[in-house]
Amino acid sequence: EIQLVESGGGLVQPGGSLRLSCTASGFTFNMFWMTWLRQLPDKGLQWVANIGPDGSGMNYVDSAKGRFTISRDNARNSVYLQMDSLTAEDTGIYYCARRNDFWGLGTLVTVSS
Amino acid sequence: DVVMTQSPLSLPVILGQPASVSCRSGQSLLYSDGNTFLHWFHQRPGQSPRRLIYKVSGREPGVPDRFSGSGSGTDFTLRISRVEAEDVGIYYCMQGTHWPYTFGQGTKLEI
Repeated sequence: EIQLVESGGGLVQPGGSLRLSCTASGFTFNMFWMTWLRQLPDKGLQWVANIGPDGSGMNYVDSAKGRFTISRDNARNSVYLQMDSLTAEDTGIYYCARRNDFWGLGTLVTVSS
Repeated sequence: DVVMTQSPLSLPVILGQPASVSCRSGQSLLYSDGNTFLHWFHQRPGQSPRRLIYKVSGREPGVPDRFSGSGSGTDFTLRISRVEAEDVGIYYCMQGTHWPYTFGQGTKLEI
């Protein structure tokens, strides 16, 4: 059974940082692109970033460039999202996904003072 | 970014009756390799999205055959032949042809 379990969300002040983690099981992790997406209250579903199987390819949406960093550790079957300079517009549920075909349950990020 | 426009945004349905959702993209979703990366997702309340249909018309394992997808280029449709109670929730189309990949606004199906 494929499982993706996110962690690391929480309440953070504007300008602060969070590191999200996602641990995968049930498939050969090092063969798949991995993705972070988010669901924002007024803007629906958005891609944030993805990373290639060996970590050599990465793509970011414009709103994440320069602030967010995606990485992976294939030995730990894990993918990460380092989020810096957070603003209220980043508030939402963050999902880890295998490509786009299987999603985790999500972790809530709230940026507020 | 490619804008994905769904209609209707709200879809009241009767159990056992058909339903359909339209999705239009701002540019063709035909990729250079011949694939069209248009997918459909279903999100039940309190759950994460689940992919139902991939590449226009492919059904994911375990998805009932009452769900079907069709279309090409910029116009796509998700059809449910006979709506069941478990089909409530929000349906999203998503394009994976042009980066950044983008979603439609969502269509809320209510019984």
